[in-house]
Amino acid sequence: GDSVTQTEGPVTVSESESLIINCTYSATSIAYPNLFWYVRYPGEGLQLLLKVITAGQKGSSRGFEATYNKETTSFHLQKASVQESDSAVYYCALGGSNYNVLYFGSGTKLTVEP
Amino acid sequence: AQTIHQWPVAEIKAVGSPLSLGCTIKGKSSPNLYWYWQATGGTLQQLFYSITVGQVESVVQLNLSASRPKDDQFILSTEKLLLSHSGFYLCAWSPVGGAEEQYFGPGTRLTVL
Repeated sequence: GDSVTQTEGPVTVSESESLIINCTYSATSIAYPNLFWYVRYPGEGLQLLLKVITAGQKGSSRGFEATYNKETTSFHLQKASVQESDSAVYYCALGGSNYNVLYFGSGTKLTVEP
Repeated sequence: AQTIHQWPVAEIKAVGSPLSLGCTIKGKSSPNLYWYWQATGGTLQQLFYSITVGQVESVVQLNLSASRPKDDQFILSTEKLLLSHSGFYLCAWSPVGGAEEQYFGPGTRLTVL
């Protein structure tokens, strides 16, 4: 089926350290998968962090990057130097070309310590 | 600017009682609308989507139903709640055509006792 698997949380890192949150997907019924990272900051609603709809392309936002790798079916989220304000829950999501159905990963709670 | 409002913010209900959760989108004509559910510690799952008034498609069966009585309103309901219905319910919208990201509401926390 169609599904997303991401790094089990919680994850704790120190400020200025690098971060990678793994995400792999299975898209058996989606011809052209689109990939997303959503984020929920404390006290806020779920919001889009970045999206990539073409295999091989990279998306970036707020210092985060993710590359859509069709060969490895991965869409890992990376940041070279995290800040305390990056503490949040991050969700990887998979959609089809019409986006009417999104499949989310289980979420990864990130805590950045000062 | 578009705004999305969900009600109630939180609800505590008894097993077997009825439920109605609402969602309203302002500032956007004919959006696609979605309902999601997340059990505590669980994965966010899409339940329903609607691309037009009066039409709702089910994605996951959870003994819940959804309706879209108006262009800007999406309702999630059941006549008999189960313990397993507890969790966090999110409403979302996307522009017509769906070729954009989804925008989420603040959510409703439901506790079934």
